[in-house]
Amino acid sequence: NAGVTQTPKFQVLKTGQSMTLQCAQDMNHEYMSWYRQDPGMGLRLIHYSVGAGITDQGEVPNGYNVSRSTTEDFPLRLLSAAPSQTSVYFCASSYHPGAGNTEAFFGQGTRLTVV
Amino acid sequence: GQQVMQIPQYQHVQEGEDFTTYCNSSTTLSNIQWYKQRPGGHPVFLIQLVKSGEVKKQKRLTFQFGEAKKNSSLHITATQTTDVGTYFCAGRAAGNKLTFGGGTRVLVKP
Repeated sequence: NAGVTQTPKFQVLKTGQSMTLQCAQDMNHEYMSWYRQDPGMGLRLIHYSVGAGITDQGEVPNGYNVSRSTTEDFPLRLLSAAPSQTSVYFCASSYHPGAGNTEAFFGQGTRLTVV
Repeated sequence: GQQVMQIPQYQHVQEGEDFTTYCNSSTTLSNIQWYKQRPGGHPVFLIQLVKSGEVKKQKRLTFQFGEAKKNSSLHITATQTTDVGTYFCAGRAAGNKLTFGGGTRVLVKP
């Protein structure tokens, strides 16, 4: 069972470049989310989705886009990278928030540096 | 919007001692979860609390959910070097968002 798979693990971008961080899960989870983790800031929610075709904004959505065309995949797009987006990005998935067990499974993370 | 605060931000503990980390939400929660992240790793689920006043134990870890469902605590007894890492609480209010606290980074002195 692969769980939550994120690619790439590391990425260096130049300011202004765009890229897509990939996230896939094989647990048939309805709920998927993206967080960024900065030193001393904990995990901040960027975007989340409760099912295919449904997405919503978290605490820090500016500069990022998401889509959810399938249950399995939830890519995160950086439209025009800025140094402030240097961070570690985590994708997570779980059963729907209304379910009894909503344990979130995290991917290994993507370490992004914008120069 | 919903905010989740954790204290302390850092905890230096002598091996064998006990400590507690606290979590407070600005809004009433439907449930609260706790995660552990080892250095260089990703967060790993520890437990979920749902009921007001709920207490759950996992070996040396005791988790508590407040009566008002706005605060929670994690108490670790007889700290070991394997307890090193950052402990996060995460709360879910009426909506679907899971909001994380800033974490308590635990360092253990042997």
